Amino acid sequence: DGGITQSPKYLFRKEGQNVTLSCEQNLNHDAMYWYRQDPGQGLRLIYYSQIVNDFQKGDIAEGYSVSREKKESFPLTVTSAQKNPTAFYLCASSIDSVSQHFGDGTRLSIL
Amino acid sequence: GQQLNQSPQSMFIQEGEDVSMNCTSSSIFNTWLWYKQDPGEGPVLLIALYKAGELTSNGRLTAQFGITRKDSFLNISASIPSDVGIYFCAGQLSFGNEKLTFGTGTRLTIIP
Repeated sequence: DGGITQSPKYLFRKEGQNVTLSCEQNLNHDAMYWYRQDPGQGLRLIYYSQIVNDFQKGDIAEGYSVSREKKESFPLTVTSAQKNPTAFYLCASSIDSVSQHFGDGTRLSIL
Repeated sequence: GQQLNQSPQSMFIQEGEDVSMNCTSSSIFNTWLWYKQDPGEGPVLLIALYKAGELTSNGRLTAQFGITRKDSFLNISASIPSDVGIYFCAGQLSFGNEKLTFGTGTRLTIIP
């Protein structure tokens, strides 16, 4: 089945650690996105990529980094510079930049 | 970054009731989308609207692209328990703009 797979489902980070969230899609979509969701808020865009080896900052990119070495993969690293990393992280992909298809998310918590 | 204003923030209804929610913006949008999110999962696309005034249905769901292009509405008729979740609107500011702006969500709860 085609879709977007995010892993792990739950992730715990110690203070000062970097952690990487995985996002893989087999939909052959060019565009991929990372969003952060906090309780009671909508989705806020962290980074997005329209094509392999290219990506742009979204509205809240500080403390995060990404790479896009393969069309299928768009990992997100939450660095120690992100002072409030506890959130639900959602990855999406799109063939037309409009109809975005989402994974089931990774919930990141700080120990 | 801009976020769209959704109302109401939450709704408590009885099974069988109809539901209405809306999304407004100070900016003009070229495309409106409505998503539903179940707990612990990612949002799923329900309806996409591409033209001002457009009215589109998906089963018991009907959405409209406001004529001013600054708002959109979602109606759910004869609600059932599986309608519970958070509904998000999203808009695309201009054609070719690769980003979506999301609303703050409407949480729907069905009272037994």
